Formats: sequence, C-alpha cells, structure tokens
Amino acid sequence: DSGVTQTPKHLITATGQRVTLRCSPRSGDLSVYWYQQSLDQGLQFLIQYYNGEERAKGNILERFSAQQFPDLHSELNLSSLELGDSALYFCASSVEAEDGYTFGSGTRLTVV
Amino acid sequence: GQNIDQPTEMTATEGAIVQINCTYQTSGFNGLFWYQQHAGEAPTFLSYNVLDGLEEKGRFSSFLSRSKGYSYLLLKELQMKDSASYLCAHPRDDKIIFGKGTRLHILP
Repeated sequence: DSGVTQTPKHLITATGQRVTLRCSPRSGDLSVYWYQQSLDQGLQFLIQYYNGEERAKGNILERFSAQQFPDLHSELNLSSLELGDSALYFCASSVEAEDGYTFGSGTRLTVV
Repeated sequence: GQNIDQPTEMTATEGAIVQINCTYQTSGFNGLFWYQQHAGEAPTFLSYNVLDGLEEKGRFSSFLSRSKGYSYLLLKELQMKDSASYLCAHPRDDKIIFGKGTRLHILP
C-alpha cells in the first residue's frame, strides 16, 4: 500500500456519460497530480493541486475538470466521455515535485 | 513525454546486465528520476540523480551527466520479475515530466 488511495479501480461506462475519479493523497502530502496513460502513450500530465489550489495545468481537455477539497482529497471529473478517453488514470502525491511522486494504483476507465 | 528520449523496447536474458539510456533537454534541469512500471500497475520510484555520476542501489544503478543531458539505468543479474517498463522523468515547473518508457523483456 503506497498510501495514495484511488477509487474506483475499474470503471466501465458508455460514451457521453460523466464519471468522477477519487484520490486521497498520502498523509502529509499537500500536492496531488493527475495523469492519464493510454495504451501506447506515456504518462500525460493533466493537472496539479496544492493545498486546495490549482497550481499547474497540462493538456487537460475542457471536458475534464478537477478539484481538491479541504481534507486534501481530490476528484477528477470526466464528462461527455468518448472512446478515446479509455485509459489508466493515475493520481500521485508528493510534498514537492523534486521529492518524487507516490502513485496510487490507478483507475482503469473503459468507455464503450 | 516532451523533451525526453528513451528506446521503446529492449530485450535481455535472465542473469545478464542491461543498460537503458535516456536523453533529455537540459534547460531548467532539476534532477532526473527513474521509475519502474509493471503492466497495468502504478509506477514505483527507483532512483533520483541530481549530481553527475553513478549511484548504486543493489542490482540497480543510475548514472547522470548533466552537461550531456544523458542518463542511464543499469540493471544487473536480471530476473524475470524485472520485465517491466522503465520511465525516465524529470521535474519541471512543479510537476514531473515522464518519457514514454522503455519496455524491457527478459528471456529465460
């Protein structure tokens, strides 16, 4: 157990639907990062939150949004889902990026 | 991953040694990570180099040359469980940028 908790582990949904992925960071970590990993792609950075505030944004689609709550857990919302959104979504937490990340086990999203 | 290059796939034999190379752009450099990722699982931290030279950790060693924008991960006494992807990555602007990874196949 890495200390970073992601739920659900698997999600199957239809095109056009909306889903919410949840992440609880490791105790003491203020930063939460979301990454998408498609089959033939590397880890693509989506968005970062630090202590409740958005700090950095990557190539995140407008259909996707995220937030970090006062208890530091974070949610990634994916809407108007398309087949191409099928991927592994990882959450990671750290104190600072230079400290390295601790990753959650990921959510495997399948859009059918 | 932008600005990070590593081979897509490599194959090696159980018990052998393999070196996985990584080149990156040097602007704004803040150290270099190596992560291991088994298929369908989360990446796990292997090493972090900030200074030039070789750092050894058991069967795994990581080397960095900042002037050349070059790093390698050296795996010795390969075991079947080392079959995985190895990701080269560096921190930039409060996040970590990952290469696409090198998929390492171990043959018995």
